[in-house]
Amino acid sequence: GAGVSQSPSNKVTEKGKDVELRCDPISGHTALYWYRQSLGQGLEFLIYFQGNSAPDKSGLPSDRFSAERTGGSVSTLTIQRTQQEDSAVYLCASSQYGTVQETQYFGPGTRLLVL
Amino acid sequence: KQEVTQIPAALSVPEGENLVLNCSFTDSAIYNLQWFRQDPGKGLTSLLLIQSSQREQTSGRLNASLDKSSGRSTLYIAASQPGDSATYLCAACTGANSKLTFGKGITLSVRP
Repeated sequence: GAGVSQSPSNKVTEKGKDVELRCDPISGHTALYWYRQSLGQGLEFLIYFQGNSAPDKSGLPSDRFSAERTGGSVSTLTIQRTQQEDSAVYLCASSQYGTVQETQYFGPGTRLLVL
Repeated sequence: KQEVTQIPAALSVPEGENLVLNCSFTDSAIYNLQWFRQDPGKGLTSLLLIQSSQREQTSGRLNASLDKSSGRSTLYIAASQPGDSATYLCAACTGANSKLTFGKGITLSVRP
């Protein structure tokens, strides 16, 4: 079946603009995760969804970052007033139930460049 | 706070060599330890997941071990091939929500 998809694959924006990144998880997966991969920083957890709820937002770096999930499926990560330090690859992952027995399936990522 | 370390950052070996990739973590209270592969410009592919109660997992030429008490995991790759060239990341699961803490990865190059 289809894997996790993300769009756009690449995004170039100017400092101060808002951007929206989209994630389509594997159908039927209730758990959804956003991570950020910055040069030299490695992969960092941003936010976790179970269904439409986000019980763990602890990784969001500032209040410029927000995310929502609708219909227990598609998720959107929004970055307001982008800064150059927001440049990174944003990865989305999903798993069926979000249990510790499961692996996470990752999408190809959105590469964001803030000029 | 959990910290995951992978050393060295890069490794180059000739084809056919058996090799070991190391991963260490600071908090032994993990639920599982996972190894992923990342190819350039691509997402992550899960290789092996070791539950906290397990000592090792095997898949084909890959074998991952876990020693929680010492905070270490290793990924053993047998008879390496050029197609194994990629970045290998380990990740520790320390939250009931399965949140992962990643190392920075080891970039492996297998020379023909």
